[in-house]
Amino acid sequence: GAVVSQHPSWVICKSGTSVKIECRSLDFQATTMFWYRQFPKQSLMLMATSNEGSKATYEQGVEKDKFLINHASLTLSTLTVTSAHPEDSSFYICSARDPSGGVDTQYFGPGTRLTVL
Amino acid sequence: SQELEQSPQSLIVQEGKNLTINCTSSKTLYGLYWYKQKYGEGLIFLMMLQKGGEEKSHEKITAKLDEKKQQSSLHITASQPSHAGIYLCGADIVGTASKLTFGTGTRLQVTL
Repeated sequence: GAVVSQHPSWVICKSGTSVKIECRSLDFQATTMFWYRQFPKQSLMLMATSNEGSKATYEQGVEKDKFLINHASLTLSTLTVTSAHPEDSSFYICSARDPSGGVDTQYFGPGTRLTVL
Repeated sequence: SQELEQSPQSLIVQEGKNLTINCTSSKTLYGLYWYKQKYGEGLIFLMMLQKGGEEKSHEKITAKLDEKKQQSSLHITASQPSHAGIYLCGADIVGTASKLTFGTGTRLQVTL
């Protein structure tokens, strides 16, 4: 299947700082990428849909000024957690949609564990 | 209420035993995706089902989608320790792969 990478795999930061997480599709072009958040022992919660060259679409209840998404190229989307607080600590997973090859599905990155002190 | 229900929530089976995980939706689905996740890692795509009555197999894992396209099952034959992890079903209820709703997951442990 298609490969999606995330960087960094984990990050620890102080409260009030901003953190940027990168999501890359390595072997295909992704016009659409997605950002999810996962709490311990819970399922994935879709935060936003990132479209190349346009503004991201945020799910209800997700603060767009808090979670800045940029999809500047067909292979890269970034999520910036601004003024992070301990409650933002979570596992963030991105995915990229690959409609080619006859299977229209999302391929997921390995995730980024964010800890805010 | 949860749009996608998975059962059981957790499962412990002895190596070599068969097991089934179920995923039920309150709505008719355009597509049903099965993923596997190891704790603290990303999701690995297993299979996608789109047609009512469809069944797909890969190695020892078989997934089925019922005729009404509201229920899917994932069956593992002769389980191995490598099958351990969290199995998540994701449903396309919109008509594209753009918005997947995920079930709560099934945590599988395989004992020796």
